[in-house]
Amino acid sequence: GAGVSQTPSNKVTEKGKYVELRCDPISGHTALYWYRQSLGQGPEFLIYFQGTGAADDSGLPNDRFFAVRPEGSVSTLKIQRTERGDSAVYLCASSLTGSNSPLHFGNGTRLTVT
Amino acid sequence: GESVGLHLPTLSVQEGDNSIINCAYSNSASDYFIWYKQESGKGPQFIIDIRSNMDKRQGQRVTVLLNKTVKHLSLQIAATQPGDSAVYFCAEKRTGDKLIFGTGTRLQVFP
Repeated sequence: GAGVSQTPSNKVTEKGKYVELRCDPISGHTALYWYRQSLGQGPEFLIYFQGTGAADDSGLPNDRFFAVRPEGSVSTLKIQRTERGDSAVYLCASSLTGSNSPLHFGNGTRLTVT
Repeated sequence: GESVGLHLPTLSVQEGDNSIINCAYSNSASDYFIWYKQESGKGPQFIIDIRSNMDKRQGQRVTVLLNKTVKHLSLQIAATQPGDSAVYFCAEKRTGDKLIFGTGTRLQVFP
């Protein structure tokens, strides 16, 4: 079946611009996660949704970052006033239930802020 | 602070040999652990998981061992193949279903 899909695969934007990154999870998965990965590092947790609600947003670095999942399926990660330090690969994952079930990742969106 | 760490950043093995990748964790409350494989340009790929009520779990060519006494996790790959070359991450699930990753070990397989 289809895995987690992320679009776009690459995004180049200028400092100060607004960007949206999209994630289509595996059908039927109730839990959805966003992670950020810098070169040579492990994925860093940003936010976790259970259904439509954000169950844990403790990893969002500041108020420029926001994520939504209005219908409990597709999610969008929004970054306002982008900074060069936001450049990274943004990974989305979904999980059947969240609790003790494995996360399945997409291939990520590589964001470059110039 | 609490962390999930790895003993070796790079592991080089001969094709056909067995590989062992180690991971230390510090949160004794973690109850679920996962190993992921990540190839260049791709997202992490699930390999195998283990719950804290187990100390060993086997998959196809892979075995995960969990030692809760010393907070240590290992991934054993039997008969390592060139296609196993990648970065391997251990991850632990803490309270609230948040999965925390370590920094990774690069496995290089030589013919």
